[in-house]
Amino acid sequence: AQRVTQPEKLLSVFKGAPVELKCNYSYSGSPELFWYVQYSRQRLQLLLRHISRESIKGFTADLNKGETSFHLKKPFAQEEDSAMYYCALSGRDNAGNMLTFGGGTRLMVKP
Amino acid sequence: DAGVTQSPTHLIKTRGQQVTLRCSPKSGHDTVSWYQQALGQGPQFIFQYYEEEERQRGNFPDRFSGHQFPNYSSELNVNALLLGDSALYLCASSFSLQATGADTQYFGPGTRLTVL
Repeated sequence: AQRVTQPEKLLSVFKGAPVELKCNYSYSGSPELFWYVQYSRQRLQLLLRHISRESIKGFTADLNKGETSFHLKKPFAQEEDSAMYYCALSGRDNAGNMLTFGGGTRLMVKP
Repeated sequence: DAGVTQSPTHLIKTRGQQVTLRCSPKSGHDTVSWYQQALGQGPQFIFQYYEEEERQRGNFPDRFSGHQFPNYSSELNVNALLLGDSALYLCASSFSLQATGADTQYFGPGTRLTVL
C-alpha cells in the first residue's frame, strides 16, 4: 500500500525566512515523488518531481530513501509562495501511474 | 491549448440521484485519471482510463463508474448519491509513453458536487 503523510496542516513564516514543508511516504517498491501546488483560485499544478532534480521558483526537494522523506525547501520565502502544497507518490511498479496524495500543507508567508 | 477542461463547474444533487461529470484531456494526452477531494483533504484516486479501459482503480465502491471515449475524453458517473459524495472531483490527464511508468499528470479545475 502507498501512503503519504504531511504532518503540518499549516505553516506560517515571515518573508525572507527559510521554509521546509515535510513529507514522509510509505511504499514497498520504487517510488516517484512529486510536489504539487495550488495557488488561490487556481488549479492544482506540478511544482517539481524528484527525477528531474530541478529547482522551480527557488524550491528544491531531495528524496531520502533511508528516511522515506521528500521534504520541500526554499531558503528565502516570498509572499507569492503562499499556497496549498501537496506531496504525492506514484509507484513505478504499478500498471498505471495513480497518484497518492498527502493531506496538504497550507503555507502562509507574512510580510 | 486550454489544458484539461471539466464540466460542469458546480452541481447540486439530492441523495439517491445519479450524476455524470465530464473531462477533456490536454491536447496530445491519452490517459485520464479521476480524483475525489473532500474539504480539507488531499485528492484521493478513484480510477484511471487508458485505451478506453479502466487500467487502475482506487478504493471506491462500484457506484463510481467511468468511461473513456475514442477521442480520449472521459466521464465519471456516480449512482445512488450519498451525502458523503459531496466533494471536488478532479480530472487529470497524462501521456503514456509506455505501458508502465509515472508521467506528469495535469489537472483540470474540478467539478464541485454538493449532495443535499
